[in-house]
Amino acid sequence: EAQVTQNPRYLITVTGKKLTVTCSQNMNHEYMSWYRQDPGLGLRQIYYSMNVEVTDKGDVPEGYKVSRKEKRNFPLILESPSPNQTSLYFCASSLSKQGMTEAFFGQGTRLTVV
Amino acid sequence: SQKIEQNSEALNIQEGKTATLTCNYTNYSPAYLQWYRQDPGRGPVFLLLIRENEKEKRKERLKVTFDTTLKQSLFHITASQPADSATYLCALGGSSNTGKLIFGQGTTLQVKP
Repeated sequence: EAQVTQNPRYLITVTGKKLTVTCSQNMNHEYMSWYRQDPGLGLRQIYYSMNVEVTDKGDVPEGYKVSRKEKRNFPLILESPSPNQTSLYFCASSLSKQGMTEAFFGQGTRLTVV
Repeated sequence: SQKIEQNSEALNIQEGKTATLTCNYTNYSPAYLQWYRQDPGRGPVFLLLIRENEKEKRKERLKVTFDTTLKQSLFHITASQPADSATYLCALGGSSNTGKLIFGQGTTLQVKP
């Protein structure tokens, strides 16, 4: 089954404690990205990757890092989480640039930073 | 700056009627426009994609129109069912090298039996 898998689904952490949210896709997609979704602000892109070892900033990259060492995996790293990073996070993948083809989204990770 | 507007108020309709959702945008010239469905706490699910040179696209009970002059897309669900109740997101893309999607905030549809 074609899918994008994120882990964990729920996470509560304390300010400053480094964390990683994993994302994996089994469709051999080139393009992957991370979004955060906040009430009233909709989905906003954090980082994206057009292929292995190619990553770039989206609209709200501050406080986040990513890596793309393998085509299937695109982890999101919060080196020093702060309360304003409390949000619902989604990983998405697509065959090529998003916009041109459908995007497949993961189930989401609800992060709370206290 | 680029802006996408979808009705922020929920749309309530009776089962069997046609639901029509609106997506308006400014300061953008998308090559593609997509519609997604999102259920509470879940990831968006792709429904339809329409290109700038297409006026209309259909898939089963769904129909999308794309008017690049008006900078507007309409999304129709015919013979609506309670299972269609969800939030529907409009997303624009394809006109930048980043390949990103720009999402509207979504319109919540409630179909009553």
